[in-house]
Amino acid sequence: EADIYQTPRYLVIGTGKKITLECSQTMGHDKMYWYQQDPGMELHLIHYSYGVNSTEKGDLSSESTVSRIRTEHFPLTLESARPSHTSQYLCASRPGQGVYEQYFGPGTRLTVT
Amino acid sequence: KNQVEQSPQSLIILEGKNCTLQCNYTVSPFSNLRWYKQDTGRGPVSLTIMTFSENTKSNGRYTATLDADTKQSSLHITASQLSDSASYICVVSDRGSTLGRLYFGRGTQLTVWP
Repeated sequence: EADIYQTPRYLVIGTGKKITLECSQTMGHDKMYWYQQDPGMELHLIHYSYGVNSTEKGDLSSESTVSRIRTEHFPLTLESARPSHTSQYLCASRPGQGVYEQYFGPGTRLTVT
Repeated sequence: KNQVEQSPQSLIILEGKNCTLQCNYTVSPFSNLRWYKQDTGRGPVSLTIMTFSENTKSNGRYTATLDADTKQSSLHITASQLSDSASYICVVSDRGSTLGRLYFGRGTQLTVWP
């Protein structure tokens, strides 16, 4: 079992609210990722980080933002949630370079009404 | 365009039977291929990772094969159990960037019936 945690696991929220999805890992990994996954579809990379104070946008355009102030913490924020943001959000991390396993958190299922 | 295609989209088998899932990819330059198991409502968990030089790797009842020439992989599950019911995702990594970008298939949804 990987030591990567996400909270909340489920969130139902109204349109226009600001939300933050939490992701923490205790493995000391430098690289962290956020993916978005709709039912029956592939994972899409929306944000990644190489380390503290490093954040980049991924392949899928997202209105969310991320921060990396501490190695172990990589939160994702939506300033104003919309129904189109309804999805599953998965956080992942991996060590360094090379062929290393990427560990996934359990995910946050977000529903915006 | 780098893509990963999986087949079948879904599969139902009886407990105790074997099955094989397929993955074709066009990712280049190739670095490695991974198979993940994703239970409903959970994050993916790695089953195997294979590099260019490996053509088979096992993890218990799971055996993955890789043909880098034809860009195909398969995941064989032996003596299936009810707990094998999940989505199986093929993921290919390229070596053209420091990110080690991962390309995900849509998964094969496996259901094992008693």
